[in-house]
Amino acid sequence: AQTVTQSQPEMSVQEAETVTLSCTYDTSESNYYLFWYKQPPSRQMILVIRQEAYKQQNATENRFSVNFQKAAKSFSLKISDSQLGDTAMYFCAFMANYGGATNKLIFGTGTLLAVQP
Amino acid sequence: DAGVIQSPRHEVTEMGQEVTLRCKPISGHDYLFWYRQTMMRGLELLIYFNNNVPIDDSGMPEDRFSAKMPNASFSTLKIQPSEPRDSAVYFCASSFILNNEKLFFGSGTQLSVL
Repeated sequence: AQTVTQSQPEMSVQEAETVTLSCTYDTSESNYYLFWYKQPPSRQMILVIRQEAYKQQNATENRFSVNFQKAAKSFSLKISDSQLGDTAMYFCAFMANYGGATNKLIFGTGTLLAVQP
Repeated sequence: DAGVIQSPRHEVTEMGQEVTLRCKPISGHDYLFWYRQTMMRGLELLIYFNNNVPIDDSGMPEDRFSAKMPNASFSTLKIQPSEPRDSAVYFCASSFILNNEKLFFGSGTQLSVL
């Protein structure tokens, strides 16, 4: 069974600074996706970034980037130039890729990030 | 497209009552998922459907929970009878087979069972 672990329940960062959220996972699958979702107070689940396991290059989306370490099963999210609007709960998630057959999206327990002015 | 639509946004009920949560997926999507979010357990997958057929319901906590998808544009999650420990946010999500790793979530239903 796959598991996703986020060991930081809460984090705080000053506006304009950089913060890194940690995530580790456990799987015996070789082909999978990893995700970071953002959940602001509005409760909406917003996809921040996605990484395909077969790609060695780390995914980047504007101020958001990941450090994907496949051997270590680590998938951290770096937020650069933090903004007040980044305040939210962040979830790391895993999905096995069975060649077109959808599988479960498995979430970690989340990290609550507060950006301080 | 309006996205995944869930109703109601908030539901307050008393223990023992029946609760029905509703979801309209994005038109054309093949997969529909029901998740439950609690502080203690985070987001858990309850059940998912492919082309209206339940594929995996191993996350459904007990017989009090049931889910249906009578057609491609509508699904329900029913709890009967409800208990205080069912209090949570329930999310519906949908995805398209050709891009099935991208889930679109609804805004969730906040359920409070008193």
